[in-house]
Amino acid sequence: QKEVEQDPGPLSVPEGAIVSLNCTYSNSAFQYFMWYRQYSRKGPELLMYTYSSGNKEDGRFTAQVDKSSKYISLFIRDSQPSDSATYLCALTSGNTPLVFGKGTRLSVIA
Amino acid sequence: DTGVSQDPRHKITKRGQNVTFRCDPISEHNRLYWYRQTLGQGPEFLTYFQNEAQLEKSRLLSDRFSAERPKGSFSTLEIQRTEQGDSAMYLCASIPSGSYEQYFGPGTRLTVT
Repeated sequence: QKEVEQDPGPLSVPEGAIVSLNCTYSNSAFQYFMWYRQYSRKGPELLMYTYSSGNKEDGRFTAQVDKSSKYISLFIRDSQPSDSATYLCALTSGNTPLVFGKGTRLSVIA
Repeated sequence: DTGVSQDPRHKITKRGQNVTFRCDPISEHNRLYWYRQTLGQGPEFLTYFQNEAQLEKSRLLSDRFSAERPKGSFSTLEIQRTEQGDSAMYLCASIPSGSYEQYFGPGTRLTVT
């Protein structure tokens, strides 16, 4: 079993839809949870950063962490064509390398 | 633009040649990571520096790979005797002191023919 599992998609939604992206993990030592957005042939861009369980909101983006279930989510409200990208979850226990999911490819259709 | 720069952005080389990549982190960030990303996968850890000290290396980093960070500023990643399996995007990330958020550069895409 991989440390971090992420459905690679692809996921295709109409403009304005609510998008839900998810990762599960097996290592209970993970304490810091990040979501990155990566456009084709570019470096990952940090979108959200959360510590431990709970919710964090930033504009149209909400990150949710449930440590008891080892499950993290990213919600995108009012999705736009410019949101079309690959979304990567990344986890760390602190001063350790990030462990990434495979990424979910999202297409938002106008 | 995160403020992390990488050079070159794309490198095409023939099998057996040596290549060197450079990463310039955000100036006040003292920690730096290198990752490798292949198509359809998330980035995988290669090596980690705190200031000029290389503190951790992945098992992925074979003897053909070497990395340096002289004076704790920019970092270089060298691959000797490149193989086709080295074709990937090489990413560096810098981290501010007291945080765990990693800010990535645009990457260097290596193609070994």
